[in-house]
Amino acid sequence: GIQVEQSPPDLILQEGANSTLRCNFSDSVNNLQWFHQNPWGQLINLFYIPSGTKQNGRLSATTVATERYSLLYISSSQTTDSGVYFCAARMYSGGGADGLTFGKGTHLIIQP
Amino acid sequence: KAGVTQTPRYLIKTRGQQVTLSCSPISGHRSVSWYQQTPGQGLQFLFEYFSETQRNKGNFPGRFSGRQFSNSRSEMNVSTLELGDSALYLCASSLATTLGTVSYEQYFGPGTRLTVT
Repeated sequence: GIQVEQSPPDLILQEGANSTLRCNFSDSVNNLQWFHQNPWGQLINLFYIPSGTKQNGRLSATTVATERYSLLYISSSQTTDSGVYFCAARMYSGGGADGLTFGKGTHLIIQP
Repeated sequence: KAGVTQTPRYLIKTRGQQVTLSCSPISGHRSVSWYQQTPGQGLQFLFEYFSETQRNKGNFPGRFSGRQFSNSRSEMNVSTLELGDSALYLCASSLATTLGTVSYEQYFGPGTRLTVT
């Protein structure tokens, strides 16, 4: 199945800093999503972005499908941005498809 | 629109027992997927249901099973619980299942935290 790797595994930044999280995937995908997991465990949808670029406030994401990577940008970080960010991908196949394959996540800590 | 709901939110069971978890998808969504999250293995896909049929299954033993009802609500069952089944179980819904190159965004519920003692 598809492999999804995220980097860095941990990131500590000061409030106001910008950050870039990376997600590499091993095969062609028809679904790529970024999530933020809140302290209670719920996965909050950030972006559905199998290709192209999207922006939502201070967050933006870019997926370059031909080179098999996606980037999540967080600008002007706030302490509320702290948490674990997951990238998840679903592989394209001619028949059925497995569920989302998740990376191990990036644990982001924003210090005041 | 209401989001994905899961019940119960917390559950404590004893080894050897069985457990049933429930998931109600977003209104209009017909596909439900289940995932297990543990500190050691991370987030792993269990299975997906669409139109009351299991479409895909992850690499889990047969003790893990599920079903989907005509109203798209889904349940998963774990029989003969083991200590290693302690985990956060997450349900996700999407409009439909993947068909060829067309895939749909998945939305997750708050999860059920299962502790096996």
